Amino acid sequence: AQKVTQAQTEISVVEKEDVTLDCVYETRDTTYYLFWYKQPPSGELVFLIRRNSFDEQNEISGRYSWNFQKSTSSFNFTITASQVVDSAVYFCALDLFASARQLTFGSGTQLTVLP
Amino acid sequence: DSGVTQTPKHLITATGQRVTLRCSPRSGDLSVYWYQQSLDQGLQFLIHYYNGEERAKGNILERFSAQQFPDLHSELNLSSLELGDSALYFCASSEGGGANTGELFFGEGSRLTVL
Repeated sequence: AQKVTQAQTEISVVEKEDVTLDCVYETRDTTYYLFWYKQPPSGELVFLIRRNSFDEQNEISGRYSWNFQKSTSSFNFTITASQVVDSAVYFCALDLFASARQLTFGSGTQLTVLP
Repeated sequence: DSGVTQTPKHLITATGQRVTLRCSPRSGDLSVYWYQQSLDQGLQFLIHYYNGEERAKGNILERFSAQQFPDLHSELNLSSLELGDSALYFCASSEGGGANTGELFFGEGSRLTVL
């Protein structure tokens, strides 16, 4: 069975600090997708990124960047120059090719950015 | 706005009752997924429908059932409700039903409170 671990339950940073959210996954499958979602206080789940297991290139989108390392089964998410609006719960999720879009979610990391 | 519409947004009911949650997927999406977010279990996959047919079941209780109609909207029926069924129920949709089915977009959720 697959598993996603987000060991950081809560993180607090001061605005403009950089912060990295950790995600470690377990699966015996060799083909899979990894996702990050943001859940702001309003409750909806906002899609941030999807990467497939064949593509280990790091990705940057504005202040967001993701580091995917198959060797350590990690898919970490960094927010540069954090802002108060980044305060939310962030979820990492694993999706096997074999069971399309039946995501296995981590327990989430509550990020609080203080002004 | 993800384009996935869920109603009602909030629902309060009593133990033993039955409720129906409704989901309209994004225009053009054939797949509908239901997820449950509870304090105990976190975010977990319940069931997947593709173009009217059930494709996969996750941790869905026998008291729960779902269907997808010809117009592609879906309903999740929860019966004999228990206190532990209180949760945020998400619907998500995607274009296809297989591994390369595109992104998974979530609705804003229906918050169910069982008293």
